[in-house]
Amino acid sequence: KAGVTQTPRYLIKTRGQQVTLSCSPISGHRSVSWYQQTPGQGLQFLFEYFSETQRNKGNFPGRFSGRQFSNSRSEMNVSTLELGDSALYLCASSLALGAGYEQYFGPGTRLTVT
Amino acid sequence: SQKIEQNSEALNIQEGKTATLTCNYTNYSPAYLQWYRQDPGRGPVFLLLIRENEKEKRKERLKVTFDTTLKQSLFHITASQPADSATYLCALGNDMRFGAGTRLTVKP
Repeated sequence: KAGVTQTPRYLIKTRGQQVTLSCSPISGHRSVSWYQQTPGQGLQFLFEYFSETQRNKGNFPGRFSGRQFSNSRSEMNVSTLELGDSALYLCASSLALGAGYEQYFGPGTRLTVT
Repeated sequence: SQKIEQNSEALNIQEGKTATLTCNYTNYSPAYLQWYRQDPGRGPVFLLLIRENEKEKRKERLKVTFDTTLKQSLFHITASQPADSATYLCALGNDMRFGAGTRLTVKP
């Protein structure tokens, strides 16, 4: 079974631009979560989608948004990029919603904002 | 406010010894708690899930305990090997919040 895939793997953007990251979950998984990881803040929860609906949201500004498609694939978008948005963005999929299901992480997208 | 604390930022042990990592939480009443391993530059990998009504769970050389009274989980790696060197993260809550992690180094 193929794992979680994320594209692109690396991205360099300029302040003020916007970016869209993509995540394809494991086949059959319906829940997709997004995390931001930085050396200073660790792994921080962005949001979780299930059945095309955002179910949980972390404490991030509205510049961070996401969506999920009917095939469970998900995208996240960051608008008006700031230097502090430089991070590893990780996507994770699980069979269903809730903490009772293990998450499978993708390799991440390394975003650098200059 | 809700907090998840992994007490040691880094832990160094000798090969063959048992590593014990701690995860404490406040203002959560989790039904589940999970442990993950993360290697540099890669996404976390799921290791173990323990339910609130389970006191202990084992998988090969790994053991997790969950004390809902103390609001603490302990993660043990027995007969540790240099290949066990990584950052270990605990996670809990319906929205899967992660602790900051403990970087374990096993020296030969």
